[in-house]
Amino acid sequence: GESVGLHLPTLSVQEGDNSIINCAYSNSASDYFIWYKQESGKGPQFIIDIRSNMDKRQGQRVTVLLNKTVKHLSLQIAATQPGDSAVYFCAESFSGYALNFGKGTSLLVTP
Amino acid sequence: DVKVTQSSRYLVKRTGEKVFLECVQDMDHENMFWYRQDPGLGLRLIYFSYDVKMKEKGDIPEGYSVSREKKERFSLILESASTNQTSMYLCASSPPPSGYNEQFFGPGTRLTVL
Repeated sequence: GESVGLHLPTLSVQEGDNSIINCAYSNSASDYFIWYKQESGKGPQFIIDIRSNMDKRQGQRVTVLLNKTVKHLSLQIAATQPGDSAVYFCAESFSGYALNFGKGTSLLVTP
Repeated sequence: DVKVTQSSRYLVKRTGEKVFLECVQDMDHENMFWYRQDPGLGLRLIYFSYDVKMKEKGDIPEGYSVSREKKERFSLILESASTNQTSMYLCASSPPPSGYNEQFFGPGTRLTVL
């Protein structure tokens, strides 16, 4: 999952398996959360978002789970593909202020 | 589709030079942002703007300034570049409110200060 230190956490999964990327957010008042994917040499791309009045939201092959009790967010990717290899960032905001990004997790999909 | 473009993909400057990074968005978004991205540190907000001629400091504004004279354009200025400003710079835009909407990112400018 995401960490405060300088080393980027890495998750290695086999093609076809499900991936779970975790994120611990810092502000209990945060009410909006978003996941981004960043491929090498590109800017971050939106994956999915969720508001604090929800626990779960599903997209195409992706699900975001929010546990406000423990301030934890996760991104689940079903049937992971080589094209899913990237760095994944979670971000939080409260009261409509600017997004606060996590440090990122590197996902490596192996054949 | 929203398009955010940045003036350069790669830039090499010398210590003490004044550096301009330009960002243009084509979706009439009110909000624009500048981040720097360093390995293991994620994206850190330098400045953002929620309207023309308006600006707000982010988490790491020291050594930077910004300009927003037109809605579609947001410039980041390094008044006197230093080696610790070597980084990837990302611009983004979003409709209001800024914290409740997806931000659309440009491809980034990799700046090296020698």
